[in-house]
Amino acid sequence: SQTIHQWPATLVQPVGSPLSLECTVEGTSNPNLYWYRQAAGRGLQLLFYSVGIGQISSEVPQNLSASRPQDRQFILSSKKLLLSDSGFYLCAWSNGNSGNTIYFGEGSWLTVV
Amino acid sequence: SQQGEEDPQALSIQEGENATMNCSYKTSINNLQWYRQNSGRGLVHLILIRSNEREKHSGRLRVTLDTSKKSSSLLITASRAADTASYFCATDDDMRFGAGTRLTVKP
Repeated sequence: SQTIHQWPATLVQPVGSPLSLECTVEGTSNPNLYWYRQAAGRGLQLLFYSVGIGQISSEVPQNLSASRPQDRQFILSSKKLLLSDSGFYLCAWSNGNSGNTIYFGEGSWLTVV
Repeated sequence: SQQGEEDPQALSIQEGENATMNCSYKTSINNLQWYRQNSGRGLVHLILIRSNEREKHSGRLRVTLDTSKKSSSLLITASRAADTASYFCATDDDMRFGAGTRLTVKP
């Protein structure tokens, strides 16, 4: 069966520090991969999605970036965090075998102080 | 922007009551899905309804789809405190989500 792992689960980072959130998917190949952000009590904002290695589409211009160095690995990064980057970050995947269903990781809580 | 928009934004009911939330969309679809999110967790897929289906059941969940009105509803019968969560809809392969409906079921 397919699983998705996302880490770290929580982190507190000072303003101006770098960020790296990692996500891996197991049990499937060539998945579509997604990064979302959710502010407290709000809906999901799609940040990046990828349909293949090295193929990244950005939804919202910001100081975040994403990379897909391997088929089932998706990384969210920032060189210098802002206070406004605080939130709940979710990695997710889908592919043709899952239909249109998107499967989510458990999320990462980021607090920028 | 996302196609699916949930309504109401928030819903509070007593345990045992039914909860109904709605989703409206703008263009023709092939299918529509409902997801649930417990606080501080990832979204979980609940049910998919295809455009040629009018109603679908899964346990205490009942989903309807009215393609003429471009709307869907999610009914949770005999609600429980554990149903407290946010509920989202998504259409076809749209990877974007709306603000969701925050359901609170009071024991």
